[in-house]
Amino acid sequence: GAGVSQTPSNKVTEKGKYVELRCDPISGHTALYWYRQSLGQGPEFLIYFQGTGAADDSGLPNDRFFAVRPEGSVSTLKIQRTERGDSAVYLCASSIRQGGSREQFFGPGTRLTVL
Amino acid sequence: AQSVTQLDSQVPVFEEAPVELRCNYSSSVSVYLFWYVQYPNQGLQLLLKYLSGSTLVESINGFEAEFNKSQTSFHLRKPSVHISDTAEYFCAVSKRGSQGNLIFGKGTKLSVKP
Repeated sequence: GAGVSQTPSNKVTEKGKYVELRCDPISGHTALYWYRQSLGQGPEFLIYFQGTGAADDSGLPNDRFFAVRPEGSVSTLKIQRTERGDSAVYLCASSIRQGGSREQFFGPGTRLTVL
Repeated sequence: AQSVTQLDSQVPVFEEAPVELRCNYSSSVSVYLFWYVQYPNQGLQLLLKYLSGSTLVESINGFEAEFNKSQTSFHLRKPSVHISDTAEYFCAVSKRGSQGNLIFGKGTKLSVKP
């Protein structure tokens, strides 16, 4: 079956612009996570969805970042008024259910470059 | 809060040599431990995990890791590496009883040379 997919694979934008990053999780996976990986760093947690609701958004850096998952499947990470410091690889992962012991399956990531 | 330290950012080794990638964690609560691998131009994949029971866990491609509670370590080892093991390896933890968000180390780039 298909794995986690993310689109676009690369996004170049100008400072101040709005961007949307999409994640298609594995079918049937109810838990969905977004992470951000800056150059030379490991992935850092941003937000977690269980079903349609954002159960934990404590990792979002500020209110320019927002994510939705309206039908409990596809999720979109939205970044307003982008800044150069937002440049990173944004990773999406899904898991069949929530829980610290569950394997998370990662997508290939979206590389965001803010000029 | 939890944190993960990977002591080596890069590890170059020759093919068929043994390798150890070090990982230490800090946590005030019980955690699950993971090693993820990222091959060139691919996404992160789970390599192995420790949940409970035997402290030595193995992967299908010859890697093993041992959970050491007293030293708060979860080092990854392989007795004989192949060129195809060249990748970046990430150690991660998640808090027991949590929703599962992972806390990662900075990663170790393993470079296997012929």
